[in-house]
Amino acid sequence: DAKTTQPTSMDCAEGRAANLPCNHSTISGNEYVYWYRQIHSQGPQYIIHGLKNNETNEMASLIITEDRKSSTLILPHATLRDTAVYYCIVRVANDYKLSFGAGTTVTVRA
Amino acid sequence: GAVVSQHPSWVICKSGTSVKIECRSLDFQATTMFWYRQFPKQSLMLMATSNEGSKATYEQGVEKDKFLINHASLTLSTLTVTSAHPEDSSFYICSARAGKGSYEQYFGPGTRLTVT
Repeated sequence: DAKTTQPTSMDCAEGRAANLPCNHSTISGNEYVYWYRQIHSQGPQYIIHGLKNNETNEMASLIITEDRKSSTLILPHATLRDTAVYYCIVRVANDYKLSFGAGTTVTVRA
Repeated sequence: GAVVSQHPSWVICKSGTSVKIECRSLDFQATTMFWYRQFPKQSLMLMATSNEGSKATYEQGVEKDKFLINHASLTLSTLTVTSAHPEDSSFYICSARAGKGSYEQYFGPGTRLTVT
């Protein structure tokens, strides 16, 4: 599976958009980009995923660059409850497994 | 929809004893369930994959005789930590895949195991 690189930590202001970058420069054509988050002492929560097109749902937007080598997760209006570790994961199309890296610790401040 | 539960949410056991953790898919049938382990300040590490009615597939370095996995029904998988030792203290998390054609994994809330 392609590896991902994320910043170790980020601070965001409450009410502002939070932009979380992820580098996956070795991604293959059949690999999807997934985002999960884990609030302290809880199981991971699915956020969004995409292949090559930008995606949006009720939680977030996913922007994937045209060359697919990087992506950005956007939380449009960060709240204190969005404080969590955010994981960017690349998954092969026909493989069920998810490989979690270190993720980005996002702290939303009032 | 797509809710996964775990029981217990936390457990303390003495060294040398065994402890069983249950993972249930509450509103869907889970063809495949996954077990992860997470040590403090570390990421999730996949331990094993279990398919209903067949033997679990363990990741490299995970002792299958120590971590017994049973997936007897489409809604229940169990992880038994046998002869637990303090180094087995960790956060154990399960996830479930909804079924054929579905690649989404839904995670349980986790079980905190402390071995004294």
